[in-house]
Amino acid sequence: DGGITQSPKYLFRKEGQNVTLSCEQNLNHDAMYWYRQDPGQGLRLIYYSQIVNDFQKGDIAEGYSVSREKKESFPLTVTSAQKNPTAFYLCASRSGGGGELFFGEGSRLTVL
Amino acid sequence: QKEVEQNSGPLSVPEGAIASLNCTYSDRGSQSFFWYRQYSGKSPELIMFIYSNGDKEDGRFTAQLNKASQYVSLLIRDSQPSDSATYLCAVPYGNNRLAFGKGNQVVVIP
Repeated sequence: DGGITQSPKYLFRKEGQNVTLSCEQNLNHDAMYWYRQDPGQGLRLIYYSQIVNDFQKGDIAEGYSVSREKKESFPLTVTSAQKNPTAFYLCASRSGGGGELFFGEGSRLTVL
Repeated sequence: QKEVEQNSGPLSVPEGAIASLNCTYSDRGSQSFFWYRQYSGKSPELIMFIYSNGDKEDGRFTAQLNKASQYVSLLIRDSQPSDSATYLCAVPYGNNRLAFGKGNQVVVIP
């Protein structure tokens, strides 16, 4: 079945450490996205990519980095520069023509 | 970022009643609108998509769009306990992006 796989589902990090969240899709979608969700809040866009080897900053990109070396993969690195990284991270993809945004199951990051 | 407002607080409805949710948006040029349902601790899933003025019905869900007044609403008829979730309104903007509201929490009381 087609879908989006995020890993890990739960991750604990010590302050000062970088962590990378994985996102893989087999929907053949051109566009991929990373959102952050805090309790009681909506989804805020971190980074997005419309095509391989190209990506753009979203509304809250500071302290995060991404790469898009393959169409299927869009990993997110949460760097030590991100001051408040504890959150629920959602990866999503969408076809180039618009339409529905499909989500992975999410990764919950907790900083100890 | 385009603004998408969902201002009402948690909504409690008795089982079998109608739940009504509203969403306003700032961009007059927006053409299509999405409603997602998100259960606690889970990722959002699409329940309705509307792009024409008027009503769109899908089972117990009805989306209503009024572009002149810049709002889109979601009605849940015959509410069930399984409808207890947060409902997110989403509006496309810019280069293939979606802006989300903060969501409305619905609690269906048996």
